[in-house]
Amino acid sequence: SYDLTQPPSVSVSPGQTASITCFGDELEDKYVSWYRQGPGQSPVLVIYQDIERPSGIPERFSGSNSGNIATLTISGTQALDEADYYCQAWDTSSEVFGTGTKVTVL
Amino acid sequence: QVHLQESGPGLVKPSQTLSLTCSVSGGSISSGNYYWSWIRQPAGKGLEWIGRVFTSGIPTYNSSLMSRVTISIDTSKNQFSLRLRSVTAADTAVYYCARYIYDLRNNPAGFDPWGQGHLVTVSS
Repeated sequence: SYDLTQPPSVSVSPGQTASITCFGDELEDKYVSWYRQGPGQSPVLVIYQDIERPSGIPERFSGSNSGNIATLTISGTQALDEADYYCQAWDTSSEVFGTGTKVTVL
Repeated sequence: QVHLQESGPGLVKPSQTLSLTCSVSGGSISSGNYYWSWIRQPAGKGLEWIGRVFTSGIPTYNSSLMSRVTISIDTSKNQFSLRLRSVTAADTAVYYCARYIYDLRNNPAGFDPWGQGHLVTVSS
């Protein structure tokens, strides 16, 4: 089975940049999506097709995908960005989610 | 704007069948290049994709659950459903329904939107 590995946690100071990585074999050959899940909330799509932002998602959210690593970057992080973040990709007839990263804004 | 809502029992006994329905409002389940999907999340854990169904009714399942799961679609009711047989405590989770989008070039574009989630507990 295909695995997507994320760091369990990332800490960032308000106003700084948070980078969340997602590691998978030959990941650059796949389209990666990213989701934000606030406490007690459903996930929300924040990035799709590696770099695209759905309407309504702030410009401070951006994505990249190269080699084996996809990255979600949150610029000018705000307290309300504190949440769990998951990457996701399709592999051989199955959707796969990353292990999830808890972003803490200190 | 499309809205999804899960419904069904919140408590299922071990060895029985878990059945959930996702009602779609704000748009037709038959229109567009969408796959209608189920995802679950045990408390304090990550997301697990269960499977999906296209408007044609053709499903695709997570190989780890394939032997126990059925996902179907009812276009007349604008709903799709999940059945998970022979449940155990390990199937206790919040179950989400979600729409998976393919864009006009048939490229994957993520799960959007998601339902609010429905907690199912497996216990006697």
